[in-house]
Amino acid sequence: GAVVSQHPSWVICKSGTSVKIECRSLDFQATTMFWYRQFPKQSLMLMATSNEGSKATYEQGVEKDKFLINHASLTLSTLTVTSAHPEDSSFYICSARDEDRWGPLHFGNGTRLTVT
Amino acid sequence: GQNIDQPTEMTATEGAIVQINCTYQTSGFNGLFWYQQHAGEAPTFLSYNVLDGLEEKGRFSSFLSRSKGYSYLLLKELQMKDSASYLCAAMDSNYQLIWGAGTKLIIKP
Repeated sequence: GAVVSQHPSWVICKSGTSVKIECRSLDFQATTMFWYRQFPKQSLMLMATSNEGSKATYEQGVEKDKFLINHASLTLSTLTVTSAHPEDSSFYICSARDEDRWGPLHFGNGTRLTVT
Repeated sequence: GQNIDQPTEMTATEGAIVQINCTYQTSGFNGLFWYQQHAGEAPTFLSYNVLDGLEEKGRFSSFLSRSKGYSYLLLKELQMKDSASYLCAAMDSNYQLIWGAGTKLIIKP
């Protein structure tokens, strides 16, 4: 149980275009999902907390107009990188808990974004 | 401020035992997590400690001392597939995870 599916696994896009990444909880409902970014050889950095039916909470320094998050249902959250630039190239990972707030995070497989 | 410290890199021999330490400072504490992350992949959950003591799960064990702000992950009978980064994360009073930078474990034959 507790499977989180993330799509696509990798994407290459041109500078200035937008990319949408989907995160689904397959066998549980997730009122809250978390979006992380990880640069090579660095730790996970929380970008934002996605809340079902309400606005996402962004971490300091993360541009909410650039990284659009939508959590329209209890099983789906999306992250759209708008007007992507080469510096946005990174590994984006979503996660969710299947239990209460104390439970472990279960991660999607991540999306490798390369902006050319 | 909130902080997690763990060694950047460790090397061990196949079949041996290795202990990866983690110290943490958080605003409140709601538990300590260990995750394994292979290169190019997402992290996978290994263990969770909220009470002092040792939690054993097969070849992997995790220890917590709340008074010392200290945890370790113990890996026994090391296999080549254990080569990965091991991430320590502490949950603060707001149930937010504070992540360490990860320890890259290199297993040699």
